Amino acid sequence: AQSVTQLGSHVSVSEGALVLLRCNYSSSVPPYLFWYVQYPNQGLQLLLKYTTGATLVKGINGFEAEFKKSETSFHLTKPSAHMSDAAEYFCAVSDRGSQGNLIFGKGTKLSVKP
Amino acid sequence: DGGITQSPKYLFRKEGQNVTLSCEQNLNHDAMYWYRQDPGQGLRLIYYSQIVNDFQKGDIAEGYSVSREKKESFPLTVTSAQKNPTAFYLCASSIQGNYGYTFGSGTRLTVV
Repeated sequence: AQSVTQLGSHVSVSEGALVLLRCNYSSSVPPYLFWYVQYPNQGLQLLLKYTTGATLVKGINGFEAEFKKSETSFHLTKPSAHMSDAAEYFCAVSDRGSQGNLIFGKGTKLSVKP
Repeated sequence: DGGITQSPKYLFRKEGQNVTLSCEQNLNHDAMYWYRQDPGQGLRLIYYSQIVNDFQKGDIAEGYSVSREKKESFPLTVTSAQKNPTAFYLCASSIQGNYGYTFGSGTRLTVV
């Protein structure tokens, strides 16, 4: 069965530093890939997604992610962290040809220090 | 504006009571989902429905029930059989295919 691993349940960066949140999936067939952000006591909001085409995907709030088939990875990055980026981030996948049900990672909580 | 609405935002339940969480969407989405979120455990799927009058159990369906009588609505009942119901509950919807989900803002249920 498909699975998603997010390395690091907590990541802390300084304001202005690079943000790197890691996500690996298990399927040998590249799935559809998503990153969501969740602010405290709110629902999840889609940051970006990869379905096909260009492997570097740009999303909202300056985030981007790169699909690397050889590494079965879809890491999320942002060049310069802002205090408002503090939130929990979830990676999710769905299998091609499936009904579209998403499988979520356990999440990474990002803290941004002033 | 199209969206997905969950109500209430906060809900308190006494031991032994059933409670129903509301989820309504006006996005014309076919599929709807209920997730439970506990600290450090990510999102766990309770039930999902791909079409009206049909639904399937997710990974943690015990102690929960749902109905899907209308395309727009997918209420979740937390029954007294659910021994540890205190959690944050999220509803989501999607169109058919791999386009991702739209989430509601959640309901925080607390047993008192």
